[in-house]
Amino acid sequence: AQSVTQLDSHVSVSEGTPVLLRCNYSSSYSPSLFWYVQHPNKGLQLLLKYTSAATLVKGINGFEAEFKKSETSFHLTKPSAHMSDAAEYFCVVRTFGNEKLTFGTGTRLTIIP
Amino acid sequence: EAGVAQSPRYKIIEKRQSVAFWCNPISGHATLYWYQQILGQGPKLLIQFQNNGVVDDSQLPKDRFSAERLKGVDSTLKIQPAKLEDSAVYLCASSRIEVLAGVNFGPGTRLLVL
Repeated sequence: AQSVTQLDSHVSVSEGTPVLLRCNYSSSYSPSLFWYVQHPNKGLQLLLKYTSAATLVKGINGFEAEFKKSETSFHLTKPSAHMSDAAEYFCVVRTFGNEKLTFGTGTRLTIIP
Repeated sequence: EAGVAQSPRYKIIEKRQSVAFWCNPISGHATLYWYQQILGQGPKLLIQFQNNGVVDDSQLPKDRFSAERLKGVDSTLKIQPAKLEDSAVYLCASSRIEVLAGVNFGPGTRLLVL
């Protein structure tokens, strides 16, 4: 079985300050992990993915995430928030042998001007 | 590469009516998913195809929802009859078979049931 827990339903940061969106996963086997972003009334866009190569993964728009097996975590970070980062972010797990994607409940990121 | 195509983008129907959504995945993607996303929630898997076979439909309300994937390419999701609680965005996604591959999502079809 696999599952994802996004620890914060809503995060607010000031423009120019760091962003941290937390995600913990559970998986019976080595997982693939993804972060997707969804802007209002838009489709889901892949930010980055971890696929058992480097544990620090760089994505688009300055985002990155670090896979920590010992902590079963895959937190998403960005050094400096931009107004355009305001959106809903989903952490997703996919396990070998079961190509089903399991989504977290999402974290709404608000950027304060 | 062209993205996942979905139509229509928006649909408004009355309860007890029928509705169908269409999805054209990225060429060469063997795996196709239909997700339901209710406002304020994460997407929930309805059905997953690999080529034209069903891999997982455990969360598909089979008394009213049906889906098919003709010839392992395009797919249609149907709701008959619709209920108020079916109001949601229906997302189609596709990927290559390899689990390390990313999954590409279409723009979604926003359904409102009145």
